[in-house]
Amino acid sequence: AQSVAQPEDQVNVAEGNPLTVKCTYSVSGNPYLFWYVQYPNRGLQFLLKYITGDNLVKGSYGFEAEFNKSQTSFHLKKPSALVSDSALYFCAVRETRGGTYKYIFGTGTRLKVLA
Amino acid sequence: NAGVMQNPRHLVRRRGQEARLRCSPMKGHSHVYWYRQLPEEGLKFMVYLQKENIIDESGMPKERFSAEFPKEGPSILRIQQVVRGDSAAYFCASSLTGTSISGANVLTFGAGSRLTVL
Repeated sequence: AQSVAQPEDQVNVAEGNPLTVKCTYSVSGNPYLFWYVQYPNRGLQFLLKYITGDNLVKGSYGFEAEFNKSQTSFHLKKPSALVSDSALYFCAVRETRGGTYKYIFGTGTRLKVLA
Repeated sequence: NAGVMQNPRHLVRRRGQEARLRCSPMKGHSHVYWYRQLPEEGLKFMVYLQKENIIDESGMPKERFSAEFPKEGPSILRIQQVVRGDSAAYFCASSLTGTSISGANVLTFGAGSRLTVL
């Protein structure tokens, strides 16, 4: 079965500093990987995805993620954090089985950007 | 395009009552997924449906929970005889067909339905 792991429950970073939110994956075959963000009392919003191609994927709100096959990682990054980036971030993988699709989410990482 | 619409946003039930949560997917989306989010926990997959078909219900508890996505109308997640442990946020998401078409493979989430069982 496919899975993703987010090893950090919370990440604190000062405003203006670069941020990294970690995600590692376990899949058979080519991975379809995603990052979503959840603000309080809201649904999840799509940030970016890796399907194939360039290892550096650019997404919404200045976020990017680096796909690293050798380390089976898909870390989310941003060069300069904003207080408004404070939210809950989820990594996800698409599991394909018998022609059907299921999206498996990590446990989430709470990002706190300090002013 | 109104996005994924979930209602009610908040639902309070007493133990033993039934809860019905509704989800209208984005226009043109034929795949619907239900997830449960417990406080301080991640999203747990429950069920994946296409019109009139349950594709994968491996995350659904075997008893009291059911889901449907009829030919006409919204998808319904039904919880019978609710217990306190059912208190959670239930999220619905929809997607296009799961091909490599640009824009596919991305889930669009509703704002969630928060169930509180007294």
